[in-house]
Amino acid sequence: DFVMTQTPLSLSVTPGQPASISCKSSQSLLHSDGKTYLHWYLQKPGQSPQLLIYEVSKRFSGVPDRFSGSGSGTDFTLKLSRVEAEDVGIYYCMQSIQLRTFGQGTKVEIK
Amino acid sequence: EVQLVQSGAEVRKPGATVKISCKVSGHTFIDYYVHWVQQAPGKGLEWMGLVDPEDGKTIYAQKFQGRVTITADTSTDTAYMEVSSLRSEDTAVYYCGTKLESWGQGTLVTVSS
Repeated sequence: DFVMTQTPLSLSVTPGQPASISCKSSQSLLHSDGKTYLHWYLQKPGQSPQLLIYEVSKRFSGVPDRFSGSGSGTDFTLKLSRVEAEDVGIYYCMQSIQLRTFGQGTKVEIK
Repeated sequence: EVQLVQSGAEVRKPGATVKISCKVSGHTFIDYYVHWVQQAPGKGLEWMGLVDPEDGKTIYAQKFQGRVTITADTSTDTAYMEVSSLRSEDTAVYYCGTKLESWGQGTLVTVSS
């Protein structure tokens, strides 16, 4: 079974400042098809999760370019270049190379 | 635009059964698995299982094997998730989803005597 470990579990950020979330997988997410099946979601309060980044670094339609993803194999990072008030919520990484597994979530709040 | 519309909130007593629906529109129903995810109060997202609407095959996370049944009805483009022998720990919001980006609005199930 896959285990996805996110750090930190919470983050308090001043508006306009950067933020970074790490996600580590217990197994490689690199598939034989050359794709890496690691994705990032934001769940805003009271809402369903929304896809931000898919396959490590591809921004989903409509996602601002202040969100970026990087990494390979088992280690991945989501970066927000300048946090805005609307970015508050819980961020999850998720693997889909074998079924699906979510990280524990990282709660981002504004200072 | 893909839309997933789930049935409304449910309240059940311990030991009862609940069945939630997820109506899919905007893409060919049989082309994508339908996944179900549990979110207990104040907790994270936990993948429960999936159904392949094309042939009805299912896969469950080990934790949910046995009390959870996921089905798909291709005549109505609707997926279902049933939980039996409900316990208080099953109180949660349940989400259905297809592809990576499409999610239902969530269904709150409350188990209380």
